[in-house]
Amino acid sequence: TQLLEQSPQFLSIQEGENLTVYCNSSSVFSSLQWYRQEPGEGPVLLVTVVTGGEVKKLKRLTFQFGDARKDSSLHITAAQPGDTGLYLCAGRLNTGFQKLVFGTGTRLLVSP
Amino acid sequence: EPEVTQTPSHQVTQMGQEVILRCVPISNHLYFYWYRQILGQKVEFLVSFYNNEISEKSEIFDDQFSVERPDGSNFTLKIRSTKLEDSAMYFCASMGQGNQPQHFGDGTRLSIL
Repeated sequence: TQLLEQSPQFLSIQEGENLTVYCNSSSVFSSLQWYRQEPGEGPVLLVTVVTGGEVKKLKRLTFQFGDARKDSSLHITAAQPGDTGLYLCAGRLNTGFQKLVFGTGTRLLVSP
Repeated sequence: EPEVTQTPSHQVTQMGQEVILRCVPISNHLYFYWYRQILGQKVEFLVSFYNNEISEKSEIFDDQFSVERPDGSNFTLKIRSTKLEDSAMYFCASMGQGNQPQHFGDGTRLSIL
């Protein structure tokens, strides 16, 4: 069974702080997506990383895919209250029709 | 921007009844998926659908579940005889070509009484 572990599960920080969320697995993924999910809504895609070692930036968010394509990280610089939400990583397997295996999620609260 | 739409947003059903959850994927997408999320748990894969047939299904997707794309636009998930443990958020997703990301709808909250 493929498993994606995210850490931390919960993070409560002050506005302006930096943070990193980690997503780890023993499985190799063809790509990894990061989503953000608001209460009562579906996951909204933030970024896809495909190549081992790839780094992508989305404003204050930096995403990295591990060299072995088994892990990923999301770093937020100078967090703002608008960053509050549930962050999900989801790995796409090479087999079958590319179902996503979701991580356990990181719930972020940024206080003003 | 094109989006995946799901109806209804909330469905309340008596245990043992049949329920159909509906999805309209993004129009030029080829791959379709159903996932579910039990309250407080992670999102789990149920089934993938391509070229008018199921391409992969999880152990959750037993004989009580079926999917259909009856008219080339709607993609439905049917649960034949609902159980209490079917209560969850059900998400539909669609994808264009093989290496593109999956886009999700806002989900249907299914409550089984």
